[in-house]
Amino acid sequence: DSGVTQTPKHLITATGQRVTLRCSPRSGDLSVYWYQQSLDQGLQFLIQYYNGEERAKGNILERFSAQQFPDLHSELNLSSLELGDSALYFCASSVEPTGWNSEAFFGQGTRLTVV
Amino acid sequence: DQQVKQNSPSLSVQEGRISILNCDYTNSMFDYFLWYKKYPAEGPTFLISISSIKDKNEDGRFTVLNKSAKHLSLHIVPSQPGDSAVYFCADPPCQGGSEKLVFGKGTKLTVNP
Repeated sequence: DSGVTQTPKHLITATGQRVTLRCSPRSGDLSVYWYQQSLDQGLQFLIQYYNGEERAKGNILERFSAQQFPDLHSELNLSSLELGDSALYFCASSVEPTGWNSEAFFGQGTRLTVV
Repeated sequence: DQQVKQNSPSLSVQEGRISILNCDYTNSMFDYFLWYKKYPAEGPTFLISISSIKDKNEDGRFTVLNKSAKHLSLHIVPSQPGDSAVYFCADPPCQGGSEKLVFGKGTKLTVNP
């Protein structure tokens, strides 16, 4: 158990809908990362938050947004869903956003299926 | 922009033999690189790391080599069927550099009994 909790584990929804994925980081971790893993693709970095503030942005679509709350949990909002958004979405957390000891711990992921 | 490339999408080896997984990177300050292992339906887990000031780092059957400029390799000796997984090379955020934790596309290792 990595200590990172993602809910829900599975989500099936229709095209055009909006969903929210939730992530609780490990206790004490201030940094949260979101990744998307599509079929045959690697881990695509979406966005990173540190202590409530956005720190880095990757290949995140405009239809997607995220935030980190004062209690440090994070939510990834996906709207106007398309079939191509079907993927595994991972959340990871680490103590600090930069520096040597940047090992990140991953949750089990949320499998999103858009039908 | 940071790029991490794992050019072999898959690798198959016999149990007991050596597995060598490669990773190339560009535009990184390379203070520190990480390897992650991922089983199906699970999140990636940290495996081993290497810093730019070292030529190699060993942890049991796993060794990371800093082979040459912009090239790393992960060696697993001896390989075991339980090592069958996808292995990702990752370039973490570094001070003064990019804030992103960037992963390669991964190499799927299959160790045959």
